[in-house]
Amino acid sequence: QVQLQESGPGLVRPSETLSLTCTFSGWPISNYYWSWIRQPPGKGLEWIGYSHESGRTNYAPSLKSRVTMSVDTSKNQLSLKLTSVTAADTAVYYCARREHGERFEYWGQGTLVTVSS
Amino acid sequence: QSALTQPASVSGPPRQSITISCTGTSSDVGGYNYVSWYQQHPGKAPKLMIYEVGNRPSGVPDRFSGSKSGNTASLTISGLQPEDEADYYCSSYTSTSTPVIFGGGTKVTVL
Repeated sequence: QVQLQESGPGLVRPSETLSLTCTFSGWPISNYYWSWIRQPPGKGLEWIGYSHESGRTNYAPSLKSRVTMSVDTSKNQLSLKLTSVTAADTAVYYCARREHGERFEYWGQGTLVTVSS
Repeated sequence: QSALTQPASVSGPPRQSITISCTGTSSDVGGYNYVSWYQQHPGKAPKLMIYEVGNRPSGVPDRFSGSKSGNTASLTISGLQPEDEADYYCSSYTSTSTPVIFGGGTKVTVL
């Protein structure tokens, strides 16, 4: 079955770059858009953006200046980079496969990233 | 862009029905049949329960149903079970600056 697994540092210092990887298995990574979604502790879900193997991306306007996403089909991996982080970027970060109609049926288990010195 | 509006909490005793509302605008909920609902238990990833307003993915119990009227979508849980106690989020396609927007979430408590 489709499985996604996020990985990366759990602690990032303010002003530095948050880097996460999502490894995918169980289905070809091709022909899908892949999203990153985050959830600050005790709060709701926030869509960060999505990326496609073609290089096409779409980012949330509030994060656009700091976000880069990419898909590596040779490694079945997605990546997320968020620069100049602050405490407001502390959240559980999820990767998810985007389906028709902007629904997300497959999610990773999430990884908590804390921004603190 | 503001999140879709959901009640903060809804509760009900076992075996009764509850309904969670999700209010948006004509640019999202009201304009498209691309409303989804997610269930999230503490410490877990969200789980898709309803998509395209009223469709259930395979494996989701039929006590979960969705509907829409105007700019408001609704999730109904009929015959509430203890395991239904969780947070529920709606989402919708939107024609504005982002393709998808989420609601603020509703905590469902089984009394």
